[in-house]
Amino acid sequence: DAMVIQNPRYQVTQFGKPVTLSCSQTLNHNVMYWYQQKSSQAPKLLFHYYDKDFNNEADTPDNFQSRRPNTSFCFLDIRSPGLGDAAMYLCATTPSERQTQYFGPGTRLLVL
Amino acid sequence: AQSVTQLDSQVPVFEEAPVELRCNYSSSVSVYLFWYVQYPNQGLQLLLKYLSGSTLVKGINGFEAEFNKSQTSFHLRKPSVHISDTAEYFCAVSDRGGSYIPTFGRGTSLIVHP
Repeated sequence: DAMVIQNPRYQVTQFGKPVTLSCSQTLNHNVMYWYQQKSSQAPKLLFHYYDKDFNNEADTPDNFQSRRPNTSFCFLDIRSPGLGDAAMYLCATTPSERQTQYFGPGTRLLVL
Repeated sequence: AQSVTQLDSQVPVFEEAPVELRCNYSSSVSVYLFWYVQYPNQGLQLLLKYLSGSTLVKGINGFEAEFNKSQTSFHLRKPSVHISDTAEYFCAVSDRGGSYIPTFGRGTSLIVHP
């Protein structure tokens, strides 16, 4: 089945230790998104790619970076995680028709 | 720019009872509307969407929603809920022909009691 895959599902890191979360998709969608979701809150958009065109949200901290080496893969890099970065990180995709978003299962990040 | 208001942060209901989760939006242009469901420790899954045409939209798991343009609402309903419907529900809106980035509401936690 075509889908959005996120690895790992759970990630534990230490305060200040760089961490990378990965997302892959078999849907061949043009657009990929990264969201941060804290407990009992709506997903907060960090950035998105339209093909290779990177779009950063104005309030996304510099600590967060992203890479999209090809259509299928997208990475979220957190350079120096703080305790406040503990959250669920969701990857989503959209075809160029700009309608439904397809979400991965998420990676729950714990910062010790 | 658009915004979404989900008036109820939590809705408790007994199994087999009907439920309505409320969603109101504001936008200066025509919109697409969505309801997503999120089960614990999972990503969001599309329940249903309104793009055009009939204002009554049927989705998965027996849910439906009605688009009311005059009241700028898109309330989600189910006539008889199950324990397995316990989850977080998010309403989202995006502009037609504009930015394709959806705006999410804060979510409503549906808690179904036996």
